[in-house]
Amino acid sequence: TQLLEQSPQFLSIQEGENLTVYCNSSSVFSSLQWYRQEPGEGPVLLVTVVTGGEVKKLKRLTFQFGDARKDSSLHITAAQPGDTGLYLCAGDQGAQKLVFGQGTRLTINP
Amino acid sequence: KAGVTQTPRYLIKTRGQQVTLSCSPISGHRSVSWYQQTPGQGLQFLFEYFSETQRNKGNFPGRFSGRQFSNSRSEMNVSTLELGDSALYLCASSLGFGLVGEGTDTQYFGPGTRLTVL
Repeated sequence: TQLLEQSPQFLSIQEGENLTVYCNSSSVFSSLQWYRQEPGEGPVLLVTVVTGGEVKKLKRLTFQFGDARKDSSLHITAAQPGDTGLYLCAGDQGAQKLVFGQGTRLTINP
Repeated sequence: KAGVTQTPRYLIKTRGQQVTLSCSPISGHRSVSWYQQTPGQGLQFLFEYFSETQRNKGNFPGRFSGRQFSNSRSEMNVSTLELGDSALYLCASSLGFGLVGEGTDTQYFGPGTRLTVL
């Protein structure tokens, strides 16, 4: 079974600070996805990274896929309270099967 | 376009009972995947159905089963419930044309069914 390890599991910071969440595996994935989940809702896809070394930006969020396609990071600049939520990375095993990391519960304090 | 719907949203059962959860995918989507989410194990893949056939299966006991109907709606059944089955059960729909080694279509998740086993 391919495993994805996310760190940190919990992160509480002040509004305006920057943060980085990491997603690591010993396995290679064809793509890696980042989701955000809010209480009472299912995960919502933020981005999919496919190519090793790829960097994608979504407003204040920057996603990077490692060169070897085994790891990824999510960097948030100038965090805002609206960024609060559970962030999940998921590796693509193909045929609609995703393996998820444990998640990072992010709290941004005003 | 309506999103993925799951019913019921909340369920309380007792040990030994069985339960059936329902998922209606986005119109035009033919694949439905099921996941279990718990605080300890996170999100774990249960199985995936495409055109009424189970294509992929996770590492769960045979008490967990599912099926898909011709209109792509899917049901998941858990028999002989155990306390450890308490979880949020999520389904996700997609077009479903991703093949092993060829990537996975974007999956759209429903809000989940919160199952509590007493």
